Amino acid sequence: DAEITQSPRHKITETGRQVTLACHQTWNHNNMFWYRQDLGHGLRLIHYSYGVQDTNKGEVSDGYSVSRSNTEDLPLTLESAASSQTSVYFCASSEADAGDTGELFFGEGSRLTVL
Amino acid sequence: RKEVEQDPGPFNVPEGATVAFNCTYSNSASQSFFWYRQDCRKEPKLLMSVYSSGNEDGRFTAQLNRASQYISLLIRDSKLSDSATYLCVVKTGGFKTIFGAGTRLFVKA
Repeated sequence: DAEITQSPRHKITETGRQVTLACHQTWNHNNMFWYRQDLGHGLRLIHYSYGVQDTNKGEVSDGYSVSRSNTEDLPLTLESAASSQTSVYFCASSEADAGDTGELFFGEGSRLTVL
Repeated sequence: RKEVEQDPGPFNVPEGATVAFNCTYSNSASQSFFWYRQDCRKEPKLLMSVYSSGNEDGRFTAQLNRASQYISLLIRDSKLSDSATYLCVVKTGGFKTIFGAGTRLFVKA
């Protein structure tokens, strides 16, 4: 079955370190997204990509970067981790031109703690 | 004001009860509407889309009121397994998708 996987599922790091969260999907979806989820805020979009070599900033992109070198992967990098980036991170993908369906398929999440 | 607002709850209901959640959105140009379900410490999953004419999926009924800019989710005959957080989701053009913070539901025996 097609799926979307994230790694690591849990990570503890220190302020100032670079961290990369991996996201791999086998749906062959063109669209991929990174969200963070914090209490009281719902999911907020960090970065998204509509296809290979395409990346775009979301509403909370400061301090994060992504790259899209193939269809399957969209790694999220925190250049210099800050305590404010402690959160649960979800990767998601969707079909292009999904219209009203617009279903997002989520990975299981990566829980990041920055000390 | 948040673009999508939900009552955070929690809603505590007995098995068999009917419970309803509302969600309001601020952008009148919003085009598509959904309810997602999220179990504790799990990823969100699509529960159902919401159509202007209202739609039903088993025990779940979704309604959209464009004039008042709110959507609702009604759950009939609640089951223990319905305990989760329900996320209201609004798409506003292209792929801009806004998530509400969620409404927590606890169904007790």
